[in-house]
Amino acid sequence: GAVVSQHPSRVICKSGTSVKIECRSLDFQATTMFWYRQFPKQSLMLMATSNEGSKATYEQGVEKDKFLINHASLTLSTLTVTSAHPEDSSFYICSARSRGPGELFFGEGSRLTVL
Amino acid sequence: AQKITQTQPGMFVQEKEAVTLDCTYDTSDPSYGLFWYKQPSSGEMIFLIYQGSYDQQNATEGRYSLNFQKARKSANLVISASQLGDSAMYFCAMREPDTGRRALTFGSGTRLQVQP
Repeated sequence: GAVVSQHPSRVICKSGTSVKIECRSLDFQATTMFWYRQFPKQSLMLMATSNEGSKATYEQGVEKDKFLINHASLTLSTLTVTSAHPEDSSFYICSARSRGPGELFFGEGSRLTVL
Repeated sequence: AQKITQTQPGMFVQEKEAVTLDCTYDTSDPSYGLFWYKQPSSGEMIFLIYQGSYDQQNATEGRYSLNFQKARKSANLVISASQLGDSAMYFCAMREPDTGRRALTFGSGTRLQVQP
C-alpha cells in the first residue's frame, strides 16, 4: 500500500531552537498534506492543511509564524517549529492525500521534546 | 458541538470475545465518510475500516465490522475474536468533503485492553 514517511521519528531540542519535521509520500503524489498534533492521551487535532505550491491553511488558534509549513513538491511537506518551547512538546503526525478518490495515508509520527 | 463523540475512554475485553467501540457523529453534510483507526503505543495510525454515507451495507474488513446506523448518526466498530495485539487506542474519524473539509476530524479515542 501507499507509504508516507516522517522524519525524524523522535527529536529532542533545547528551548529556543527550531526543529524541522519532514513528511514524504514515497510512492504517490500527494496533492494535499495535513499536519496534526497529538498531546499525550488525547486525540489528533488538525493544525493545518497544505496544498502543493500554495500557502498552508491553518486551523483557528494555530500560530502560522510558529509552525511554518512548506509543501514545495508533490511528495514533500515540512513542518518547522520555530523557537520551540516546552509547551510545543507533542506528537506531530502528517497525513497525505493522493489524487482522485483520495485515501488518506498517515506518517509514523514525530515525537518532539523541548527541554 | 463535537463532530465526533466517543463516550468510552477505556474498554476491557477478554481474549477471543467480541467488543463494540461506540462512535456518534454530527454533520449536516449529506456526503461524508467515517473511518476507524488503531493507534498502538508506537504512535502510528493504522487504518481499519471505512464507511461512506451512501453505502447501503455495513463495511467489513476481516475481524472488523462497522455497525452503521445513519438515522442515529452512529458508526460503532465491532471487533470479533479479540486478540492480545488488538490492545491499543482506537479513533473514530469523519471526513466531510462537501464542506471542503477533506481533513479528518477525530474523536477523543477509546483505549482497548484485551485480557488473556
